[in-house]
Amino acid sequence: SQELEQSPQSLIVQEGKNLTINCTSSKTLYGLYWYKQKYGEGLIFLMMLQKGGEEKSHEKITAKLDEKKQQSSLHITASQPSHAGIYLCGAVSEKLVFGKGTKLTVNP
Amino acid sequence: DSGVTQTPKHLITATGQRVTLRCSPRSGDLSVYWYQQSLDQGLQFLIQYYNGEERAKGNILERFSAQQFPDLHSELNLSSLELGDSALYFCASSAGTGYLSYGYTFGSGTRLTVV
Repeated sequence: SQELEQSPQSLIVQEGKNLTINCTSSKTLYGLYWYKQKYGEGLIFLMMLQKGGEEKSHEKITAKLDEKKQQSSLHITASQPSHAGIYLCGAVSEKLVFGKGTKLTVNP
Repeated sequence: DSGVTQTPKHLITATGQRVTLRCSPRSGDLSVYWYQQSLDQGLQFLIQYYNGEERAKGNILERFSAQQFPDLHSELNLSSLELGDSALYFCASSAGTGYLSYGYTFGSGTRLTVV
């Protein structure tokens, strides 16, 4: 079965700093979702990537899909406290499977 | 509001009991997915239904069962509850199924506490 590994597991940054979260798949990626979750709450859809080399941006968050490397990265520019939360990547296969998440803390 | 409705939001019950969690998918979505999220296991896929039929099964215990009704809402039944079943249970919906699924939308979850 497909497995996703996210790195780092947790990240603490100062407000205003840039950061990158990686998601690596054990199998070919046919589609990759990024979600954000506040602790104990539901998942908020950020973006979906479908094609190799695809890059999408929403506000200060950019995600890329490297199909050959079976990897996706999520980059946040000029982080803010509102970016804090758990970021989850999910791969589309027979069902949507998730990595264990990256916990992001942004200190003011 | 994501369009996916889960009830109840919180549930506290004793070991050995049985509970039912309910999910109404986003309008037009035919697939419903159930996930369990615990601190140590992350978000684990349990089961998927598509238009009333079971389509995929994950790490779902035999004590757990689910179904999707003709109006497309789904219920997850958890029986003989154990302390370790305490977790957040999420429902998600999508328009298609498998590789053709797009736009997975999650509900806000049901927090189950077994005491």
